[in-house]
Amino acid sequence: DIVMTQSPDSLAVPLGERATITCRSSQNVLQISSRKNYVAWYQQKPGQPPRLLFTWASSRESGVPARFHGSGSGTYFTLTLSSLQAEDVAVYYCQQFYSRPWTFGQGTRVEVK
Amino acid sequence: QVQLRQSGAEVKKPGASVNISCKAFGYPFIDYHIHWVRQIPGQGLDWMGIMDPKNGRSTFARSFRDRVTMTSETSTTTVYMELRGLTSDDTALYFCARDPPDHDAFDVWGQGTMVTVS
Repeated sequence: DIVMTQSPDSLAVPLGERATITCRSSQNVLQISSRKNYVAWYQQKPGQPPRLLFTWASSRESGVPARFHGSGSGTYFTLTLSSLQAEDVAVYYCQQFYSRPWTFGQGTRVEVK
Repeated sequence: QVQLRQSGAEVKKPGASVNISCKAFGYPFIDYHIHWVRQIPGQGLDWMGIMDPKNGRSTFARSFRDRVTMTSETSTTTVYMELRGLTSDDTALYFCARDPPDHDAFDVWGQGTMVTVS
């Protein structure tokens, strides 16, 4: 199974500042033929199901604000919130969909400092 | 409107089974796989398995394989997940989610069904 490891487990950032979450996969999740990284990012707010933010590591879903940015390739990925807003307080998860079983990172809790 | 609507909260005794439904609205039911994901309170997301409504085939995570069944009913656009042999460790929120044909991430989620084993 591919293990997804996020860091940090939690972070507190002042409003308007940058928040960066990293996610490492235990195996390469880049498909050479398509040049696509099989990584997704989700946001989960209290009492809600997860919301898909990015597919293919950096392809932003419709309606996701431009301050969210996904990047990375191979085994190293980042989710950046360029200017934290109050509504961004949530737990963020990375996920690989390269191979079964689908696996998630342990989550990173983002709070306002 | 595209949505997945799950059945309501359940309270079960240890050793019992639970059957959760996930009804799809607003899209071609058989064109999207349905996944089940478990979330123990205060913890992360744990993938349980996948169901293909087109052919009824399912694949399960190793840790659930012996006691989970997933079925689909095309006429009612509903997928069911049964978990047997419940223990207190199964107290959790259970989500269904779909993955679209162009990628295998989960773009629409149900609201979640809380199962309490006590």
